[in-house]
Amino acid sequence: KAGVTQTPRYLIKTRGQQVTLSCSPISGHRSVSWYQQTPGQGLQFLFEYFSETQRNKGNFPGRFSGRQFSNSRSEMNVSTLELGDSALYLCASSSTSRGLADTQYFGPGTRLTVL
Amino acid sequence: QQQVKQSPQSLIVQKGGISIINCAYENTAFDYFPWYQQFPGKGPALLIAIRPDVSEKKEGRFTISFNKSAKQFSLHIMDSQPGDSATYFCAARNNNDMRFGAGTRLTVKP
Repeated sequence: KAGVTQTPRYLIKTRGQQVTLSCSPISGHRSVSWYQQTPGQGLQFLFEYFSETQRNKGNFPGRFSGRQFSNSRSEMNVSTLELGDSALYLCASSSTSRGLADTQYFGPGTRLTVL
Repeated sequence: QQQVKQSPQSLIVQKGGISIINCAYENTAFDYFPWYQQFPGKGPALLIAIRPDVSEKKEGRFTISFNKSAKQFSLHIMDSQPGDSATYFCAARNNNDMRFGAGTRLTVKP
């Protein structure tokens, strides 16, 4: 069974631009969560989607948004990029409706650099 | 708001030794405590996890010890191997929230 895939793997943007990251969960998994990883702040929870609905949200500004499609694939969007948004963005999927409380499988991440 | 404190930041252990990483949490609503292992260029991978109704869980060379009253838990890696060299993250979560420790970079010297 294929693991969680994320595209693109690397991305370079400039301040003020917006970016969309994509995540394909493990086949059959319906919960998708997003995380931001930086050297300074570590791993932080962004949001979780289940059945196309945002179920939980971390403490990030409204510039960070996401959505989930009927096939469970998810996208994350960051608008008006700031230098501090440079990070590794990780997606994780889980198989049950318990989402965060269930075993999560992480993708390799998308490395975003904002210049 | 840091809700999970992890120590040490880095750890160097000789091959065959015991690696110990500690975490402390604040929010008593957390009810699931996983540990993740992350290699460079990879996403975190679940290593072992524990629920607060159990004081210890062992899987192979990896053991979690959990102290509910102290709100602390730790990861013990027995017979540490060079292949265990990675960054380890503890986490605490419930259905609505998930918080991570800052990570411990483990180096196992041959």
